[in-house]
Amino acid sequence: EPEVTQTPSHQVTQMGQEVILRCVPISNHLYFYWYRQILGQKVEFLVSFYNNEISEKSEIFDDQFSVERPDGSNFTLKIRSTKLEDSAMYFCASSEETGGVEPQHFGDGTRLSIL
Amino acid sequence: QKEVEQNSGPLSVPEGAIASLNCTYSDRGSQSFFWYRQYSGKSPELIMSIYSNGDKEDGRFTAQLNKASQYVSLLIRDSQPSDSATYLCAVNDSNYQLIWGAGTKLIIKP
Repeated sequence: EPEVTQTPSHQVTQMGQEVILRCVPISNHLYFYWYRQILGQKVEFLVSFYNNEISEKSEIFDDQFSVERPDGSNFTLKIRSTKLEDSAMYFCASSEETGGVEPQHFGDGTRLSIL
Repeated sequence: QKEVEQNSGPLSVPEGAIASLNCTYSDRGSQSFFWYRQYSGKSPELIMSIYSNGDKEDGRFTAQLNKASQYVSLLIRDSQPSDSATYLCAVNDSNYQLIWGAGTKLIIKP
């Protein structure tokens, strides 16, 4: 069964450094998402992406965050200057159509630890 | 503000019994409803989707939807210890944006 893949599984970064989290969505999916989950807390929506542009973003997704689809397969989340509070699991998801109609399928996540 | 509400639990159910998980939502325009299971430290995994009023069964899982009451539930029959997880309810809003509940922690006691 096709799946969403995320790399790396664990990223340790010094505060203030830039980090790029990578995702390969399911190949025929058109909508892509990033979520964050701080340890012990709920899943939080960050951003949705369609047709090479952001379609929705949350209040969390401020100027230090950016997303990109640099080629036909990868979907990346960049955090420009990391803060301690960015430590969390980051999940990428994709869906065939907008995730409000079709279900979103999640990758295994990247655990980001900011020191 | 559009919301999806779930009891955080934990909900403790003996092995072999029926576990009943509930979710309410605020947006009457919602059309799509999803249940995800999340094990500790893992990603959410889709269990069921339901789009019309009534019941939808898949193995030991049954999703129930009542749009008039703005209520969706998940029943797990013959509960197993491996069903112990957090169950997330997700509902689209009238703009097709997915709104997530905070999840119910389910514990199946052997």
